[in-house]
Amino acid sequence: GQQLNQSPQSMFIQEGEDVSMNCTSSSIFNTWLWYKQDPGEGPVLLIALYKAGELTSNGRLTAQFGITRKDSFLNISASIPSDVGIYFCAGSGGTSYGKLTFGQGTILTVHP
Amino acid sequence: KAGVTQTPRYLIKTRGQQVTLSCSPISGHRSVSWYQQTPGQGLQFLFEYFSETQRNKGNFPGRFSGRQFSNSRSEMNVSTLELGDSALYLCASTPRDISGANVLTFGAGSRLTVL
Repeated sequence: GQQLNQSPQSMFIQEGEDVSMNCTSSSIFNTWLWYKQDPGEGPVLLIALYKAGELTSNGRLTAQFGITRKDSFLNISASIPSDVGIYFCAGSGGTSYGKLTFGQGTILTVHP
Repeated sequence: KAGVTQTPRYLIKTRGQQVTLSCSPISGHRSVSWYQQTPGQGLQFLFEYFSETQRNKGNFPGRFSGRQFSNSRSEMNVSTLELGDSALYLCASTPRDISGANVLTFGAGSRLTVL
């Protein structure tokens, strides 16, 4: 099925560093979402974006909805060990009750 | 406010058997969606229910089915299990009845292993 292109696939960083990841799509979305998943758990919503160009922050996290509505990025500032996990972007649009299209995920490892 | 609750959390079945998974959405949420997560395919949409009606369906074979009850609780069933059905099955709910604005809250999932 259709998937978003999420990059990078994995990141190994030192505690305190900033992180950036992004997603691109060939389709336009009305909503962009960023989730984090810990092992053995379901994805947890971090940020939801509803308008093209929208820039939203949630603590150390900042995400933007691309102007073309085909891309989004997530930045994490001053990373800490508990940021470890898999980050997913997801897009929603059109007549798509309940359906999100997910990226492949970015595996983040933070070294203390 | 309780989150999305899925039961069972873990289960092991053998090929050919069938399985039923249960999901209780957040109180007040009327839309329930199901997803399959595997290492190879990632997160794939199965179906969505609202007011006991399936409104949307992903590209899965007919062995995958679901239903929703009047209290918004939902179940999904997989019949004639195959090895490839081993996955984490995630349920999600949302209060919004607006197409295209699927801000989903996920449960912890049911981990199915098919032997």
